[in-house]
Amino acid sequence: KQEVTQIPAALSVPEGENLVLNCSFTDSAIYNLQWFRQDPGKGLTSLLLIQSSQREQTSGRLNASLDKSSGRSTLYIAASQPGDSATYLCAVPRGSEKLVFGKGMKLTVNP
Amino acid sequence: NAGVTQTPKFQVLKTGQSMTLQCAQDMNHEYMSWYRQDPGMGLRLIHYSVGAGITDQGEVPNGYNVSRSTTEDFPLRLLSAAPSQTSVYFCASSPGLAGGHGELFFGEGSRLTVL
Repeated sequence: KQEVTQIPAALSVPEGENLVLNCSFTDSAIYNLQWFRQDPGKGLTSLLLIQSSQREQTSGRLNASLDKSSGRSTLYIAASQPGDSATYLCAVPRGSEKLVFGKGMKLTVNP
Repeated sequence: NAGVTQTPKFQVLKTGQSMTLQCAQDMNHEYMSWYRQDPGMGLRLIHYSVGAGITDQGEVPNGYNVSRSTTEDFPLRLLSAAPSQTSVYFCASSPGLAGGHGELFFGEGSRLTVL
């Protein structure tokens, strides 16, 4: 059974820091991995989708890496800003029709 | 560009009442799904559909019913609301048939309270 873990559950940092968010999964036979952002009271927004054949995916100040063999993905946020404050979730497919989500990491970037 | 639209955004029900949460997408996605999000439990899949006329159960389907008569719409029906169904409900869609393999687009959520 696929399980996805995100540790820590919350992180508070000063503005400007470079951040690494962690995601681990138990079954390495994944098709891809997605990172999402959720603002309070809002839905999830897809940030990055990494295919199993890729090792990295970049969008602006965000960079996500995937290491299937170790069951890990990291989301790197460069030069963090208060606007980056949100909950970040990762998810992997279970079969072809479903996603398994981590419980998320709440990030607070203080000005 | 509307994306995934959910209505209503907020709803309060009494135990035993029924209601329908509406979900519509304008991206011509074949795959649509309903999740509920609860504190400490994360996101759990209720039902999903890989195309018009095709639906299947997720992890927590009891007490919910779905149908998919068009590509655009995927309503979620609560048959007899219970306090345990108090939650935030999200509809999501994805291009292609393999919803677990494509980028997932979420609606803004419907916050349901059952008294």
